[in-house]
Amino acid sequence: DAGVTQSPTHLIKTRGQQVTLRCSPKSGHDTVSWYQQALGQGPQFIFQYYEEEERQRGNFPDRFSGHQFPNYSSELNVNALLLGDSALYLCASSLGGGAGTEAFFGQGTRLTVV
Amino acid sequence: GQQVMQIPQYQHVQEGEDFTTYCNSSTTLSNIQWYKQRPGGHPVFLIQLVKSGEVKKQKRLTFQFGEAKKNSSLHITATQTTDVGTYFCAYDNYGQNFVFGPGTRLSVLP
Repeated sequence: DAGVTQSPTHLIKTRGQQVTLRCSPKSGHDTVSWYQQALGQGPQFIFQYYEEEERQRGNFPDRFSGHQFPNYSSELNVNALLLGDSALYLCASSLGGGAGTEAFFGQGTRLTVV
Repeated sequence: GQQVMQIPQYQHVQEGEDFTTYCNSSTTLSNIQWYKQRPGGHPVFLIQLVKSGEVKKQKRLTFQFGEAKKNSSLHITATQTTDVGTYFCAYDNYGQNFVFGPGTRLSVLP
């Protein structure tokens, strides 16, 4: 039973470019949340997808967008990359997304913007 | 969402010593979760506390939720080098929208 898988593991992009990160949730999970973790800080919630719709959103600009597919996998897109977007991007999956349910994190995608 | 603070930011201990990290909020929290992130790794769920005054143990780890549900602690007895990492507390703001603390980075010297 595969856990949460993310791709790619590492990525280097140039300022102004666009990037797409991918996440496959743990088998049986239907909710995917995305987090940004800057170096030395705790993860910050970007948004959550459930039933192919964005259900919640954190304090991130519209440059950050996402999508969830019928098989529950998800993508995170970031447009017009800034140097400050360099971070570890984490995907977490859960079942139902209700309060108090355990979230499983993927290994993350480390994005470097130069 | 309400922020949570963690102290200390860093802790260096000799192997075999005990370690405690504290998580504090100015408002009442519905729950607290604790995660461990090894260097270069991703957060791994350790435990969730939901009841006032709740205490849970996992081998050498003891987790506590304060009576007022505004603070929590994680205590490790007799640390080992495998305990190295950053320990985060987090609360579920609303349905999996977790608000993480800044973490406590633990170093264990052999």
